[in-house]
Amino acid sequence: KQEVTQIPAALSVPEGENLVLNCSFTDSAIYNLQWFRQDPGKGLTSLLLIQSSQREQTSGRLNASLDKSSGRSTLYIAASQPGDSATYLCAVLNAGGTSYGKLTFGQGTILTVHP
Amino acid sequence: GAGVSQSPSNKVTEKGKDVELRCDPISGHTALYWYRQSLGQGLEFLIYFQGNSAPDKSGLPSDRFSAERTGGSVSTLTIQRTQQEDSAVYLCASSFGTFSVGYTFGSGTRLTVV
Repeated sequence: KQEVTQIPAALSVPEGENLVLNCSFTDSAIYNLQWFRQDPGKGLTSLLLIQSSQREQTSGRLNASLDKSSGRSTLYIAASQPGDSATYLCAVLNAGGTSYGKLTFGQGTILTVHP
Repeated sequence: GAGVSQSPSNKVTEKGKDVELRCDPISGHTALYWYRQSLGQGLEFLIYFQGNSAPDKSGLPSDRFSAERTGGSVSTLTIQRTQQEDSAVYLCASSFGTFSVGYTFGSGTRLTVV
């Protein structure tokens, strides 16, 4: 069964810092990996999608990498801002096993960027 | 529509009552998921519809939960005889159904059972 782990569970940083959020998964049989942002009381907003054949994706100040063979992904946020404060979730779309075709989510990293 | 629409956004119900939660996926999206997010917990898969195939109901927690998708579009999640442990945010997501694209989530329905 696929398991997704996100480290750290929470992170508090001053504005302007560059930071890295980590995501690991136990089964490398995935179609893609997606990073989401969730604001308190809101739904999920997709940030970046990395196909299993890709190594990284970039959008603005965000860069996500994927090493499928080692079961790891990182989300890099450059020059963090208070508006980046949210919960960041990674999810893998499974390509095998009992979780085939389903998204498996990590527990999330709660990010707080203070002025 | 432009995004995945869920209604109601908030629902408070008495224990033992039935509730229906609605999801309008993005037009043309053939795949639709329901997830549940309990307070302080991760997202829990409930059910998955893909085109005209039989839905994958493996995540439904009990037989009080059911879902249908009419005409390959709108989906309704029904919870019968609600219990306090059913209180959660219920999220719907849709996709074009190929495994090369990501999923778009709605804003969710916050269900509170009192």
